[in-house]
Amino acid sequence: AQSVAQPEDQVNVAEGNPLTVKCTYSVSGNPYLFWYVQYPNRGLQFLLKYITGDNLVKGSYGFEAEFNKSQTSFHLKKPSALVSDSALYFCAVRDTGATDSWGKLQFGAGTQVVVTP
Amino acid sequence: DARVTQTPRHKVTEMGQEVTMRCQPILGHNTVFWYRQTMMQGLELLAYFRNRAPLDDSGMPKDRFSAEMPDATLATLKIQPSEPRDSAVYFCASGLVGNEQYFGPGTRLTVT
Repeated sequence: AQSVAQPEDQVNVAEGNPLTVKCTYSVSGNPYLFWYVQYPNRGLQFLLKYITGDNLVKGSYGFEAEFNKSQTSFHLKKPSALVSDSALYFCAVRDTGATDSWGKLQFGAGTQVVVTP
Repeated sequence: DARVTQTPRHKVTEMGQEVTMRCQPILGHNTVFWYRQTMMQGLELLAYFRNRAPLDDSGMPKDRFSAEMPDATLATLKIQPSEPRDSAVYFCASGLVGNEQYFGPGTRLTVT
């Protein structure tokens, strides 16, 4: 069965500093990996995905993520955080080796990012 | 700019009443998902459809919840009868199989 873990409930960072949000996963086949962001009272917004190819994936709003197969990780990064990046971030995985996945995503519990001025 | 739409955005109802939430997926998307989000449980998958056929609704309380797609432009989630523990934000999402899902703005349900 597929699973995803976000080990940090909250990440605090000062504006202008690098931001990293951690995600690890477990799948039986090859993973499709996704990051979403949720602002207060809004739905989840897609940020970026890894399907295949280059391990470094670039997405919206200056975010990027690095797929590391040996460490089964897909950490989200931003070189210089903004106060407006404060939000709830979700990692998600689809297990292509699961015959019953049918495009279903497994979401992590979410990590609250707080960027202080 | 195509978006998933959901109605109503907010719903307050009394325990025992029927609640119907509606979703219009993005045109051309062949999968539709219903999620529930609470502080305690986080994001839970309730049901999903592929090409309008229900594939999995194991996340739903079967005795009171039902999900349907009467046509490609409408997905519904019904709760009958509603209970206070159903209070949550309900999200609909749509996508193409295996790809990212696009979420609607959600329906905030309060059952008193």
